[in-house]
Amino acid sequence: DIQMTQSPSSLSASVGDRVTITCRASQSITNYLNWYQQKPGKAPKLLIYTASSLQSGVPSRFSGSGSGTDFTLTVSSLQPEDFATYYCQQSSSTPWTFGQGTRVEIK
Amino acid sequence: QVQLQESGPGLVKPSETLSLTCTVSGGSISSYYWSWIRQPPGKGLEFIGYIYYSGTTNYNPSLKSRVTISVDTSKNQFSLRLSSVTAADTAVYFCARDFGDNSGGWYFDLWGRGTLVTVSS
Repeated sequence: DIQMTQSPSSLSASVGDRVTITCRASQSITNYLNWYQQKPGKAPKLLIYTASSLQSGVPSRFSGSGSGTDFTLTVSSLQPEDFATYYCQQSSSTPWTFGQGTRVEIK
Repeated sequence: QVQLQESGPGLVKPSETLSLTCTVSGGSISSYYWSWIRQPPGKGLEFIGYIYYSGTTNYNPSLKSRVTISVDTSKNQFSLRLSSVTAADTAVYFCARDFGDNSGGWYFDLWGRGTLVTVSS
């Protein structure tokens, strides 16, 4: 299985901050990397697919980059509704695997 | 718009079989792949497996010996059976659409709300 490692596991930030979350794969996954946002008690929501494509309806302050083994999710200006847990997920080979999650909290 | 809804018992006894169904509404189950994903309380997400509307399946090797995913296109439903459950199988179970795009990417673009299944006697 491909192991996905996110960093940091949690972070505290203020509204308006630029936030970056990193995801590293245990082997190359080209650009088959997706990002999800999950709020408590809710299902995950797709934000970014194939590393850098913005899902329809997702605000443009979210962006993704990277290829190979190293990827980043950036929120350019954090909004109150962005406080949540974020997961990366690889779809290069089955079984699809997720990172352990990054919790973004209010400072 | 397409919506997914999980249903099934919220409590299962140890050693018994967990059974859940996902109903797809607002669209056809045909021509897509459909997945089950679970999340133990306070923990991360685990892919269980997927099924194509034609019946082709792919299971996570960590659960393969205990998992069966099936599809009923006439009811626009797909189902999960997980046998010989233990407390470690206590989790929120999500169904999701596993969408494949033209570039070869796969991603979960639609999700059900999830259902908590507790394994306890």
